[in-house]
Amino acid sequence: EADIYQTPRYLVIGTGKKITLECSQTMGHDKMYWYQQDPGMELHLIHYSYGVNSTEKGDLSSESTVSRIRTEHFPLTLESARPSHTSQYLCASSDWGLVNEQYFGPGTRLTVT
Amino acid sequence: GQNIDQPTEMTATEGAIVQINCTYQTSGFNGLFWYQQHAGEAPTFLSYNVLDGLEEKGRFSSFLSRSKGYSYLLLKELQMKDSASYLCAVRDRAGGGNKLTFGTGTQLKVEL
Repeated sequence: EADIYQTPRYLVIGTGKKITLECSQTMGHDKMYWYQQDPGMELHLIHYSYGVNSTEKGDLSSESTVSRIRTEHFPLTLESARPSHTSQYLCASSDWGLVNEQYFGPGTRLTVT
Repeated sequence: GQNIDQPTEMTATEGAIVQINCTYQTSGFNGLFWYQQHAGEAPTFLSYNVLDGLEEKGRFSSFLSRSKGYSYLLLKELQMKDSASYLCAVRDRAGGGNKLTFGTGTQLKVEL
């Protein structure tokens, strides 16, 4: 069973607030990812990291930022939340093995009012 | 970039077999994954194919044809708990080699 955690699970916040979504994994994986998923839609990669102090933007443009100061921790920050940021945010991690399957956290469902 | 197509919805009967197809276009193919996602939950890994052929894992099997850009997920002896969305995802060699692009998913409904 994957050990990857996200907090909060649900968040309702007003426009203009700064928020940080937390993601931690205890598997020692070097690679971590953030996806955005709207209901009934595909997952879109918004950020990824292949190790400490390494971050890259994904395929979907996002106003969020990420940091990777520790291997196990990959927080995502929105400086000023807007209703267009309302979505589910999924964090994942993977190892360097042959298959490199990604293990997903339970997600954070964000609603910006 | 990648283009991934899979049916939006499928319905099948408990105990039956269902095949979910996925076609893709990518310039640097580096593996195809199938994930299962129950409503409101995180995706969970089901299978991985990088070479042509069939990979079997219990009730689930996955097939890949790289020349045709085609894969399918086969679910046997369907159970009610198999009702979920099944996501096809393709890995590309670009960007360090482990970025996944997901299809929109196939919502499978298993009925009595």
